Amino acid sequence: DTGVSQNPRHKITKRGQNVTFRCDPISEHNRLYWYRQTLGQGPEFLTYFQNEAQLEKSRLLSDRFSAERPKGSFSTLEIQRTEQGDSAMYLCASSLGGTQTEAFFGQGTRLTVV
Amino acid sequence: AQSVTQLGSHVSVSEGALVLLRCNYSSSVPPYLFWYVQYPNQGLQLLLKYTTGATLVKGINGFEAEFKKSETSFHLTKPSAHMSDAAEYFCAVSAGSSASKIIFGSGTRLSIRP
Repeated sequence: DTGVSQNPRHKITKRGQNVTFRCDPISEHNRLYWYRQTLGQGPEFLTYFQNEAQLEKSRLLSDRFSAERPKGSFSTLEIQRTEQGDSAMYLCASSLGGTQTEAFFGQGTRLTVV
Repeated sequence: AQSVTQLGSHVSVSEGALVLLRCNYSSSVPPYLFWYVQYPNQGLQLLLKYTTGATLVKGINGFEAEFKKSETSFHLTKPSAHMSDAAEYFCAVSAGSSASKIIFGSGTRLSIRP
C-alpha cells in the first residue's frame, strides 16, 4: 500500500484555463475527501464521497469546481475558468469509514494561477 | 455543525519544556477528535485520535491529548519538547458515529528554541 497519491504535484496555469487534478486513495478506503489549503490556514473542506456517491459539497464552493469519483476508486477535481484566488494547495484524503474515520492525506497538488 | 478553534496561531517553547497546544470544539453530537501534524513541504500526518472510551489518548512521538466534554476541549501536550517537533499542528473534529466530513482548525505553528 503506497498511501494516497495525487497528481500532478504542481500545476501552473493561466487565468481562465481549466485544470483537473487526480487522487488515488488507499485501495480499501471507501471515503474520499478534497480539501483546499492556503498559506497559514488549516485545510478547508471542499467535498467528500462515500464510494461513488458525492455526499456533501461545501456551500462556499463555486460552481466552477466539480468533483467525480467514478466506480468509487480514484477521484478527479476540476476547476473551470481558473482565477488567481484559486491558487492553493489541493489536498486529497481517504478513510475506511465507519468508526475508523481518521483520514490519510496525500502530498497535495499545488496550483498557481498566473 | 462542527467547528474547531485553536488558541494561538504560534507557540514557542524551549527544548525540553512542556508543549501545550489548545483546541476547543463545537459539535451538536458526540464528536470524534483528531490532531494532525504537518512538517514543512509534507502532507498531514495523524498524531492521535479520540473516538469513544478512554478520554486520555496517546499518540506518536510522545504526544497525548485529553478529551474534556465539560470544557469542550481536546488540548495536545508533550512533556518534553524536541527540536524535531517544530511543525504545524491541526486539531480536527467530525460528527462522531455518523462519520461525516472532518473539519479542521486554522492550525498552530510550534517553534522550538534551542
